[in-house]
Amino acid sequence: EPEVTQTPSHQVTQMGQEVILRCVPISNHLYFYWYRQILGQKVEFLVSFYNNEISEKSEIFDDQFSVERPDGSNFTLKIRSTKLEDSAMYFCASSEGAGHEQYFGPGTRLTVT
Amino acid sequence: LAKTTQPISMDSYEGQEVNITCSHNNIATNDYITWYQQFPSQGPRFIIQGYKTKVTNEVASLFIPADRKSSTLSLPRVSLSDTAVYYCLVGDVVNTGFQKLVFGTGTRLLVSP
Repeated sequence: EPEVTQTPSHQVTQMGQEVILRCVPISNHLYFYWYRQILGQKVEFLVSFYNNEISEKSEIFDDQFSVERPDGSNFTLKIRSTKLEDSAMYFCASSEGAGHEQYFGPGTRLTVT
Repeated sequence: LAKTTQPISMDSYEGQEVNITCSHNNIATNDYITWYQQFPSQGPRFIIQGYKTKVTNEVASLFIPADRKSSTLSLPRVSLSDTAVYYCLVGDVVNTGFQKLVFGTGTRLLVSP
């Protein structure tokens, strides 16, 4: 069964540093998403991406965040200057179409020290 | 997006049927009901989606009464591996594409031997 993959599984970084989280969505999917889950809290939507542009973003997704699909397979989330409160599990997801089920990756645990 | 209410937690034993009910009193005409499952330290996983009456797949059944103000996820003969958090989500799949999944706190199901 095809699956979404994410790298790295765990990233430790210092406050103020830039991080790039990588995702490889399922190959025939057209919609891509990032969510995050702070330990013990809800899964929160960050951004959705379609046709090489952001289709929706949440209040969390401020100017420190950006997404990119640099080639035909990868989908990245960049945090320009990390803060302690960015520590969370970041999940990438993809779907065949709008409204279709979203397939989530295993997540990247980001720890900001 | 329609607000959903589900029990915070449920306990069951292996082999029993588990029914998790979700209330969504202000569900809109175009809203669909979708359930996701999340194991610890993993991304959510789609279980089932429906609009009305009953939907069944290899994993679960979803019962939706005529007024659609609630829905019940039914897991037949649960095993220890069904211990997870179960989320009920309601959103407009048809018109807005339901791209942004809004997760609540979910129902934490604990299955014991």
